[in-house]
Amino acid sequence: NAGVTQTPKFQVLKTGQSMTLQCAQDMNHEYMSWYRQDPGMGLRLIHYSVGAGITDQGEVPNGYNVSRSTTEDFPLRLLSAAPSQTSVYFCASSYSNLGTGEYGYTFGSGTRLTVV
Amino acid sequence: KNQVEQSPQSLIILEGKNCTLQCNYTVSPFSNLRWYKQDTGRGPVSLTIMTFSENTKSNGRYTATLDADTKQSSLHITASQLSDSASYICVVSNDYKLSFGAGTTVTVRA
Repeated sequence: NAGVTQTPKFQVLKTGQSMTLQCAQDMNHEYMSWYRQDPGMGLRLIHYSVGAGITDQGEVPNGYNVSRSTTEDFPLRLLSAAPSQTSVYFCASSYSNLGTGEYGYTFGSGTRLTVV
Repeated sequence: KNQVEQSPQSLIILEGKNCTLQCNYTVSPFSNLRWYKQDTGRGPVSLTIMTFSENTKSNGRYTATLDADTKQSSLHITASQLSDSASYICVVSNDYKLSFGAGTTVTVRA
């Protein structure tokens, strides 16, 4: 049981480039989400999905797109990278949007993105 | 303003010693509070979850307390080990969203 798998682990982009961060889970969770983690701040929600075909914006959605064509996959796309998007990105999944239950959210290991 | 404030921002303790981390929140209404442990380079992993009616919850050497009246929680680490070196994140839920604290970084030294 792999849990939540994120790729790549590290990425350096030039300003204006686009890329996709991959996220896959094998726990049949309906709820998936993307967070960014910056120094001195709590995790901030970028986008989330409550099931295949359904996505919605979180707290900091600008500059990012998502899609959910299957239950397992939830990719995050950066449309035109900016230095302000330098951060560590985490994908998480759960049975419910509030992460209730014994294990709460299951997080991936993160993608460390640097935009120069 | 962040609705979940954690203190201290960081602390260093010697192996075998105890420590206590604090979490104050203003989230309302309150649904549950969870503590996560985040090792360097990894995603957060849930340690404990408490609902409104629970005052304390243990997970091995980790004990979390909750005072819903004063909106305060603490995480106590007993007999610390080197593997306890990590960031500890307090997460508070109301009925429709989560609010994350910025975390406390704990460094355990031999």
